[in-house]
Amino acid sequence: QVTLKESGPVLVKPTETLTLTCTVSGFSLSNARMGVSWIRQPPGKALEWLAHIFSNDEKSYSTSLKSRLTISKDTSKSQVVLTMTNMDPVDTATYYCARMGAGAWWFDPWGQGTLVTVSS
Amino acid sequence: QSALTQPASVSGSPGQSITISCTGTSSDVGSYNLVSWYQQHPGKAPKLMIYEVSKRPSGVSNRFSGSKSGNTASLTISGLQAEDEADYYCCSYAGSSTLRFGGGTKLTVL
Repeated sequence: QVTLKESGPVLVKPTETLTLTCTVSGFSLSNARMGVSWIRQPPGKALEWLAHIFSNDEKSYSTSLKSRLTISKDTSKSQVVLTMTNMDPVDTATYYCARMGAGAWWFDPWGQGTLVTVSS
Repeated sequence: QSALTQPASVSGSPGQSITISCTGTSSDVGSYNLVSWYQQHPGKAPKLMIYEVSKRPSGVSNRFSGSKSGNTASLTISGLQAEDEADYYCCSYAGSSTLRFGGGTKLTVL
């Protein structure tokens, strides 16, 4: 059974850097044609794709947030890490990670999500 | 890059069919057969319902179907059931290894 679980701080202050971890099970991040994306959803608002990373270490970022995002993976720990710098209250959202297949541009399954609030 | 355009809300009675549209541009929906649809119940993570415009993952009811014409993709739900009431999001590949979501549609089953 494939599962993903997000973890990280519940509360961050404005200007701080957010670090989120996605721990996967049921598949390996070293498997060819496998990847993980991060997606966020502000309260009551739509989904927004942020970034993805594939097993060959190919990475891609949202154009609008590229300067603030870094995605990486630790295959031995089955973890994908997303950092977002210079956090602002508008970044308050539930952050999800989800599995993707290389060349398979869809997300399945998703983690349960983690709510991050940005406030001083 | 703007989000794909979806109607804010649609509604239908049990047993009826509804269609949710997802309008993009020639840079995303119009150029790739890589549109997916997600169902999200309140407080829950999204669930994949349709991928590559019209393919259904294992376990998804055949009441859900997808199609595309030009820059607009559509999700049709036939035989509406109470449990179909949820938010629905489309997503399209947008080139250069990027993806774009729609603004979401709230489906109400009357």
